[in-house]
Amino acid sequence: ETVLTQSPATLSLSPGESATLSCTASQSVSTYLSWYQQKPGQAPRLLIYDASNRATGIPARFSGSGSGTDFTLTISGLEPEDFAIYYCQQRSNWPPITFGGGTKVEIK
Amino acid sequence: EVQVVESGGGLVQPGGSLRLSCAASGFPFSSYAMSWVRQAPGKGPEWVAAISGSAGSTYYADSVKGRFTISRDNSKNTLYLQMNRLRAEDTAVYYCPTNTWGSFADLWDFWGRGTLVTVSP
Repeated sequence: ETVLTQSPATLSLSPGESATLSCTASQSVSTYLSWYQQKPGQAPRLLIYDASNRATGIPARFSGSGSGTDFTLTISGLEPEDFAIYYCQQRSNWPPITFGGGTKVEIK
Repeated sequence: EVQVVESGGGLVQPGGSLRLSCAASGFPFSSYAMSWVRQAPGKGPEWVAAISGSAGSTYYADSVKGRFTISRDNSKNTLYLQMNRLRAEDTAVYYCPTNTWGSFADLWDFWGRGTLVTVSP
């Protein structure tokens, strides 16, 4: 099973600041890594797929990078609606498809 | 317009059974591999099971293998999850997400509201 480790667990930032979220895989997932955003009471929302491709309708302030085992989600200039929990997910080595434990981006 | 509507959740006692349904529309369901993904209260998402478009291949998380069965009826555009020998740790919202641009059992850009399963005495 490919374990995804996200860091930090919580990121406290102010609107307008940039956020850098990390996801590390226990084995290579090539670029088959996605990022989801989730707000309370809502289903996850796909932001980034295949490491660096923005999903339809996702603002350009969201960007993804990485390959192999180390990945980064960057939010350039946090908007109020960006405070949420972010999960990475791999689809390279499955079953099982696995998710990371999440990073909560909270208002400082 | 893509739609997936999950149903069938509810309160069930440990050891009991439940069958979830996912009614799909707006995409070529019979050609699409599908998955069930669940999320326990306060936890992250967890993939549960996947099935190919033809239902010829099925895959399960170890946590549900031997207890849950994924199936589909392409004539009804409906995905199912039969859950037996339920445990407290199966308590979660169950989703059947899909992809709006291709058949991916492992990449989801459209999610429904989910259906809540509560396993409790």
